[in-house]
Amino acid sequence: GQNIDQPTEMTATEGAIVQINCTYQTSGFNGLFWYQQHAGEAPTFLSYNVLDGLEEKGRFSSFLSRSKGYSYLLLKELQMKDSASYLCAVRDAGNNRKLIWGLGTSLAVNP
Amino acid sequence: GAVVSQHPSRVICKSGTSVKIECRSLDFQATTMFWYRQFPKQSLMLMATSNEGSKATYEQGVEKDKFLINHASLTLSTLTVTSAHPEDSSFYICSASPSQGLAVTDTQYFGPGTRLTVL
Repeated sequence: GQNIDQPTEMTATEGAIVQINCTYQTSGFNGLFWYQQHAGEAPTFLSYNVLDGLEEKGRFSSFLSRSKGYSYLLLKELQMKDSASYLCAVRDAGNNRKLIWGLGTSLAVNP
Repeated sequence: GAVVSQHPSRVICKSGTSVKIECRSLDFQATTMFWYRQFPKQSLMLMATSNEGSKATYEQGVEKDKFLINHASLTLSTLTVTSAHPEDSSFYICSASPSQGLAVTDTQYFGPGTRLTVL
């Protein structure tokens, strides 16, 4: 079956670094996405990995290991506004562009 | 770039009425749009994939006669919740994937969502 696992909740301190892990077991793989979702709002796109390695974009970086079925999102210099849910999603194989979603990790950034 | 709008943002209706939600890609063409539902503190649940010019593909357990989807153009998809009941109250979100032209292919860009409350 299709399965994506991520921690339910995490807490971190303002200014610190936090790593949110995601493991996946899917029948096909065509890329992994990270989205940020604030309460009551729609998700916003953060990053996309299709090849192994690290993709850096400002304070956010995302890593992928296809052989291990593993990704992480790294948030540096945490700010209070980073308190949100972070969703890991894997694009299914084939042409349907469908994403398989994890349940999300709720991150609380404390002062 | 990659802006998706959704209208209305919030709707309250009586049980038994139908509600139409519009999803528009404002600065790109989208062959494919997706409709999701999200209950409080839960993840996104894909309801259906909407393809321009063809019938939508519904996920298992989603009633196609209750959730009517029309994708008549490359920039507009609509979801109509027919004969809405209180259990249909939820946050409905659409997303769109650009047909071409953007650096990251197949990324889904989300609309702001529609909060539906059925009394």
